[in-house]
Amino acid sequence: DVKVTQSSRYLVKRTGEKVFLECVQDMDHENMFWYRQDPGLGLRLIYFSYDVKMKEKGDIPEGYSVSREKKERFSLILESASTNQTSMYLCASRSPAGQGHYGYTFGSGTRLTVV
Amino acid sequence: GENVEQHPSTLSVQEGDSAVIKCTYSDSASNYFPWYKQELGKGPQLIIDIRSNVGEKKDQRIAVTLNKTAKHFSLHITETQPEDSAVYFCAARRGTSYDKVIFGPGTSLSVIP
Repeated sequence: DVKVTQSSRYLVKRTGEKVFLECVQDMDHENMFWYRQDPGLGLRLIYFSYDVKMKEKGDIPEGYSVSREKKERFSLILESASTNQTSMYLCASRSPAGQGHYGYTFGSGTRLTVV
Repeated sequence: GENVEQHPSTLSVQEGDSAVIKCTYSDSASNYFPWYKQELGKGPQLIIDIRSNVGEKKDQRIAVTLNKTAKHFSLHITETQPEDSAVYFCAARRGTSYDKVIFGPGTSLSVIP
C-alpha cells in the first residue's frame, strides 16, 4: 500500500514563526498536494506539484509556499504563521492519470495551532 | 465559482439501515466524482468513484449514482455497520485535470448499534 507520512501529528507555533510541514510518500508518485481541512469547509487545496521543483497554486495559496526538492518529499511552508492558519493540514499523493487510479492517498494530517 | 454542496451535514442511522448522502456540483464540465471516508484521527481514504460515462457503480455495500443532467450524485450505504461511522466527503473534478478536485463540506455519519 502507498504510504504518505506527515512528520508531525500535532504542532503548536507562535504568531510570526516560520513553520515547515513535511510530507513523504513511498510509492514514487509524481503528483503531491497540500490541503487544509476546516469544519464546514471541507478540504481546500493550497498547492500541488507535478514533479520535482514544479509547483502550482491551488485555491488558497496566500500565506503559504512549498518546496519539492526530491520526488518523494513535499514541504509546506508558512512564512509567518498567523492565527487564521490554525487548521488540520493534509498531504496527499497520486499516480498520474492513465495509470488506472485517479484518487488521492492522504496522510494522517498535521493539526497546527498558532498562538 | 465552482462549488460542491453536500447534504446532510450529520446523519444518524440504526445499524442495518441504509444511509444516503447527496451532493450537487456547479461545473457542468466535471466528469469525475470520488468519495472519501475519513475515520477519526486518520486522513481521508478513497472508497468509490464514478466517471460521467457511467450512471451507477457498486462495490459491495456501497453504491454511487450520478445524474449529470441535474448535476447530482449520491452515495448509498446499505446494511450499515458501526465501522461505517466516519465523515464522508464527496468531490468533483474541475476541468480536464484530475488534480483540480473540489470537495464538499462533509457528512458526519453515525451508525448506532
